Amino acid sequence: EAEVAQSPRYKITEKSQAVAFWCDPISGHATLYWYRQILGQGPELLVQFQDESVVDDSQLPKDRFSAERLKGVDSTLKIQPAELGDSAMYLCASSLHESYEQYFGPGTRLTVT
Amino acid sequence: AQSVAQPEDQVNVAEGNPLTVKCTYSVSGNPYLFWYVQYPNRGLQFLLKYITGDNLVKGSYGFEAEFNKSQTSFHLKKPSALVSDSALYFCAVRGYYGGATNKLIFGTGTLLAVQP
Repeated sequence: EAEVAQSPRYKITEKSQAVAFWCDPISGHATLYWYRQILGQGPELLVQFQDESVVDDSQLPKDRFSAERLKGVDSTLKIQPAELGDSAMYLCASSLHESYEQYFGPGTRLTVT
Repeated sequence: AQSVAQPEDQVNVAEGNPLTVKCTYSVSGNPYLFWYVQYPNRGLQFLLKYITGDNLVKGSYGFEAEFNKSQTSFHLKKPSALVSDSALYFCAVRGYYGGATNKLIFGTGTLLAVQP
């Protein structure tokens, strides 16, 4: 069964450092999402791509976060500089089309010290 | 504004007993509703969805959910709980916000604990 791949699974970084997460969606899925899940809460959408274009980044803190999906396949989410409040699980999801259900990767657990 | 509420932080049930995890929603227009399950340190797994049609939706692992438009609810159910069902369950509604037509809005989650 095809799955969404994410790496790394765990990342510990110091405050003010840069960190990057990678996501490879299910083959053929045109829509890709990045979510942030703070402990004890539901996931919150950070950015949504349709192919290589950003559809929604209204909740992305653009002063420190950036996301790209250059070839419309895999995607990278970057934080620079990281802050203590960025500690969370970062989840990537994909769907065949924006109208279909989303499939999630295992997530990257970020700890900022 | 679109929103989802899961009124119970935790549900405890004995193995073999029926379980219900509650969800209520608020949307404008017709709702698209989803249930996801999350195991410790894992991503979310899709269980089932309601788009249109029959109010009783069947999903993975023996779970089902009942859509009730008058009560704006979408409760998750299973006739006989297993210890392995113990996990965090999220209800979500597909909302519309700006340019994103498929933005999932999640509830805060309900921890299901099944005792042997």
